Amino acid sequence: EVQLVESGGGLVQPGGSLRLSCTASGFTFSNYAMSWVRQAPGKGLQWVSTISGSGGGTYYADSVKGRFTISRDNSKNTLYLQMNSLRAEDTAVYSCAKDPGGYSRAVFAYWGQGTLVTVSS
Amino acid sequence: DIQMTQSPSSVSASVGDRVTITCRARQDISNWLAWYQQKPGKAPRLLIYAASSLQSGVPSRFSGSGSGTDFTLTISSLQPEDFATYYCQQAKSLPYSFGQGTKLDIK
Repeated sequence: EVQLVESGGGLVQPGGSLRLSCTASGFTFSNYAMSWVRQAPGKGLQWVSTISGSGGGTYYADSVKGRFTISRDNSKNTLYLQMNSLRAEDTAVYSCAKDPGGYSRAVFAYWGQGTLVTVSS
Repeated sequence: DIQMTQSPSSVSASVGDRVTITCRARQDISNWLAWYQQKPGKAPRLLIYAASSLQSGVPSRFSGSGSGTDFTLTISSLQPEDFATYYCQQAKSLPYSFGQGTKLDIK
């Protein structure tokens, strides 16, 4: 069974940094691209970033490019999101997500429960 | 960037009703479209991918259609557990984008 468990969220001041983690199990982690998707309180879904299975390819939404860095440690089955220069508009639940396999890395069949990031002074 | 627009933004229906939600892409995305269901406080659930392919485990009352710029999600006979918010998402090109959501509630 695929399981994705996020951690690392919390309250941070504007301009601050936070690193999110997503620990995966139930599949061969290194074979799959992984993504982060966020949802601001009461709002819709927003794709944030995707990383290839090897980690050699990374992709970002314009709103986070240059501030967020996605990475992975395939030996630890863990995905990361380093978030710097945080803004109030980054406040959201951040979820890691995995594609269904055999179709597209841009479709998200498996999701974690999410971790809340609140940016406020 | 490809903008995705859903309609309606909200809809009220009764158990047993047939409901259709529409999603329009600002440019041709072929069949690179997915549909998700989300209930309050829960992670989204993938329902449909490739515009019309039913994800494993999803009831057959859900169906998707369309190609190019216009897509629909149909629930043939609403069940109590179907009341939720539904999102479309284009998987054609970066940045991957979602529609704004359609809230389906009980009439």
